[in-house]
Amino acid sequence: GAGVSQSPSNKVTEKGKDVELRCDPISGHTALYWYRQSLGQGLEFLIYFQGNSAPDKSGLPSDRFSAERTGGSVSTLTIQRTQQEDSAVYLCASSVRTSGGSRAFFGPGTRLTVL
Amino acid sequence: GESVGLHLPTLSVQEGDNSIINCAYSNSASDYFIWYKQESGKGPQFIIDIRSNMDKRQGQRVTVLLNKTVKHLSLQIAATQPGDSAVYFCAEHSGNTPLVFGKGTRLSVIA
Repeated sequence: GAGVSQSPSNKVTEKGKDVELRCDPISGHTALYWYRQSLGQGLEFLIYFQGNSAPDKSGLPSDRFSAERTGGSVSTLTIQRTQQEDSAVYLCASSVRTSGGSRAFFGPGTRLTVL
Repeated sequence: GESVGLHLPTLSVQEGDNSIINCAYSNSASDYFIWYKQESGKGPQFIIDIRSNMDKRQGQRVTVLLNKTVKHLSLQIAATQPGDSAVYFCAEHSGNTPLVFGKGTRLSVIA
């Protein structure tokens, strides 16, 4: 079956512009995560959607960042008034909880460059 | 593609040798752990997982060991191959909390 897909794969924008990044999770996965990875760094948690529960937004770095998940499927991460420090790879993952655990599968990421 | 792990701890291993990558986790309530492999320019790829009621789990050429007493996780790779070169991350999970990732270790295989 299809894995997690993200679009665009690359995005170059100018400082101050808004950007939208899209994630299509694996069908049937109830949980969806967004992470950010700067060059040479680990994965920084941004936001977590789990079923119909309120999302865990504790990782969003500022109010310029927001995310939605429509119909329990596709998610969009929006960054308003982008800054150069927002340049990173944005990774999306989805998972479904089973008796064995919550194995999360990642998409290829969107590389965002803010000029 | 983009290079990851430029500033991460690096483990250099001779091809054919065994590799051991270590991870200290932070939350004593974590009940599920995953190892991921990330190659340059790609998203993390699932390798193996383990629940907290186990202390060892084996896969194909990989073994994960869990020591809850000292909150330590390790990934052993047998007969390391050039294709194993990547950055390896451990991740921990508890209940409905999001996955929390460790800082990562870069594995470099010397042919």
